[in-house]
Amino acid sequence: QQPVQSPQAVILREGEDAVINCSSSKALYSVHWYRQKHGEAPVFLMILLKGGEQKGHEKISASFNEKKQQSSLYLTASQLSYSGTYFCGTETGNDYKLSFGAGTTVTVRA
Amino acid sequence: SQTIHQWPATLVQPVGSPLSLECTVEGTSNPNLYWYRQAAGRGLQLLFYSVGIGQISSEVPQNLSASRPQDRQFILSSKKLLLSDSGFYLCAWSVQMGGPETQYFGPGTRLLVL
Repeated sequence: QQPVQSPQAVILREGEDAVINCSSSKALYSVHWYRQKHGEAPVFLMILLKGGEQKGHEKISASFNEKKQQSSLYLTASQLSYSGTYFCGTETGNDYKLSFGAGTTVTVRA
Repeated sequence: SQTIHQWPATLVQPVGSPLSLECTVEGTSNPNLYWYRQAAGRGLQLLFYSVGIGQISSEVPQNLSASRPQDRQFILSSKKLLLSDSGFYLCAWSVQMGGPETQYFGPGTRLLVL
């Protein structure tokens, strides 16, 4: 079951903050966040396990609410390099398989 | 360190022609391997995954097949391509640890079927 990401797109000015949400209809085992620049492969940002909050990349952090079956990615003091499409991948069982959301396109302008 | 290679980088093929995309991983042993397809402007769709040589699981019924002839080699094939097979094909690998595993993507192959 594919997770639902929101918003679909967001436009920011440098220094502004944004939140990207990822919701699942099933209980989650883990949530993985990736960023993809245009024409390139997705790059791993961070992985969250049940109940964990983790800061893993630049000023980007994420939370995982196990009860709500959702995760949020926080872009703080955005930089031009944050532009790209962010995907969440969810794992609903310990079976190595990820289901990816449709992505959130982030555009950061000077 | 580990690296993942995919080739070719770009491919233009006529409808009905065969396909063979290759993916190899260096610097690790017994990885889990994955094939994904990404349509233009869309998310990632898992096509196949493999936990070992000769072990292939298919996620989506289609005219594609996968094989893993060696520990660090993963091949995606088709006997006859369809227009709908166009897309960005990504290979990924992860280390088997018995828990949630981070998947690392290769550079991808952009396939256009005409």
